[in-house]
Amino acid sequence: EVQLVESGGGLVQPGGSLRLSCVASGFTFSSYWMSWVRQAPGKGLEWVANIKQDGFDKYYVDSVKGRFTISRDNTKDSLYLQMNSLRAEDTAVYFCARDPFYYGAGSSGFDHWGQGTLVTVSS
Amino acid sequence: DVVMTQSPLSLPVTLGQPASISCRSSLGLVHSDGNTYLNWFQQRPGQSPRRLIYKVSNRDSGVPDRFSGSGSGTDFTLKISRVAAEDVGVYYCMQGTHWPPYTFGQGTKLEIK
Repeated sequence: EVQLVESGGGLVQPGGSLRLSCVASGFTFSSYWMSWVRQAPGKGLEWVANIKQDGFDKYYVDSVKGRFTISRDNTKDSLYLQMNSLRAEDTAVYFCARDPFYYGAGSSGFDHWGQGTLVTVSS
Repeated sequence: DVVMTQSPLSLPVTLGQPASISCRSSLGLVHSDGNTYLNWFQQRPGQSPRRLIYKVSNRDSGVPDRFSGSGSGTDFTLKISRVAAEDVGVYYCMQGTHWPPYTFGQGTKLEIK
């Protein structure tokens, strides 16, 4: 059974930093692109970033470029999101999701999601 | 960025009746590989999203056959043939053709009348 378990959320002041983690199990983690998707309280879904299987190619939504860094450790079946210079508008539940994407095609959407971890940016 | 526009945003439906959600994209979603990467997700109250349909009309494993997806180009539809109580939640379309970024619709909240 595929499982994605996020952790690392919490309350942080504006301008602060936080590192989210996602541990995967039940599939060959190193064979998949992975994404972070967020959802502000009472709002819709927003894709944040994704990362290629080998960790070398990474893409971000414009609003987090230069502040967030996605990474992975295939030896630990883990995905990370380092979030710096946090703003109030980054307050959201952050989901880790498996992305069945490959170069030369598009994305068929996220076929497995974690339960999410809440990040609250407030003074 | 490709803008995804859903309608309606609120959908009250009587149990056992059909429901339909529209999703329009600001750009055509046919990829150079010939596929159309328009996907649908369901988010039940208090739960994570779940993919229902991928590439316009392919149902995920375990998704009841009362759910169907259709459309082409820029206009897409998710249909529920007979709404059940467990279908309450928010439905999102998402395009995976023109990226980054992947973009979602605003969401359609389905409730039982």
